[in-house]
Amino acid sequence: AQSVTQLGSHVSVSEGALVLLRCNYSSSVPPYLFWYVQYPNQGLQLLLKYTTGATLVKGINGFEAEFKKSETSFHLTKPSAHMSDAAEYFCAVRRSQGAQKLVFGQGTRLTINP
Amino acid sequence: DSGVTQTPKHLITATGQRVTLRCSPRSGDLSVYWYQQSLDQGLQFLIQYYNGEERAKGNILERFSAQQFPDLHSELNLSSLELGDSALYFCASSGSTGYNEQYFGPGTRLTVT
Repeated sequence: AQSVTQLGSHVSVSEGALVLLRCNYSSSVPPYLFWYVQYPNQGLQLLLKYTTGATLVKGINGFEAEFKKSETSFHLTKPSAHMSDAAEYFCAVRRSQGAQKLVFGQGTRLTINP
Repeated sequence: DSGVTQTPKHLITATGQRVTLRCSPRSGDLSVYWYQQSLDQGLQFLIQYYNGEERAKGNILERFSAQQFPDLHSELNLSSLELGDSALYFCASSGSTGYNEQYFGPGTRLTVT
């Protein structure tokens, strides 16, 4: 079975500050990992993904995440927060083989303070 | 715009009723997934179809069913609705190449009164 834990249901940072959203996963097989962002009243948009290869992956809007197998983590970072980054962020895991369903964390609501 | 469309955007109905949610995948995508997002359960996978065939089932109630048609659009049917079925229902689609990233539609917000 697979599961995802996002530490912190709410994170608040100042504009220009570092954004760090934490995600830990559990998977019995090599995982594929994803971060999605959800703006109010909208669907989920894929930010970035890790499948194979380089463990530091870059996504849209200046976000990046690093897959750390030893720590079973896939934390999302952005060096400098922008007001437009305020949204809900979801970490998700799926198997690299077989079932393709995504298992999501509970989400982290990011607030940006001016 | 992900290329996945869902109709309707909003649906308000009464307990005991039946509704149908519709999803059109991105052009060329053969897989369609349905997810439910609620405050207490979060985002949960319901069911996946691939080229018209059921591929995987998740936490889908027996009162719910889905199908995928030859033109690849999909419908999620919810019957004997209860207050607890109020949620956002998302459809996602993926292709059969690459790493099968799932692209999500804007969702249908269902309110059961």
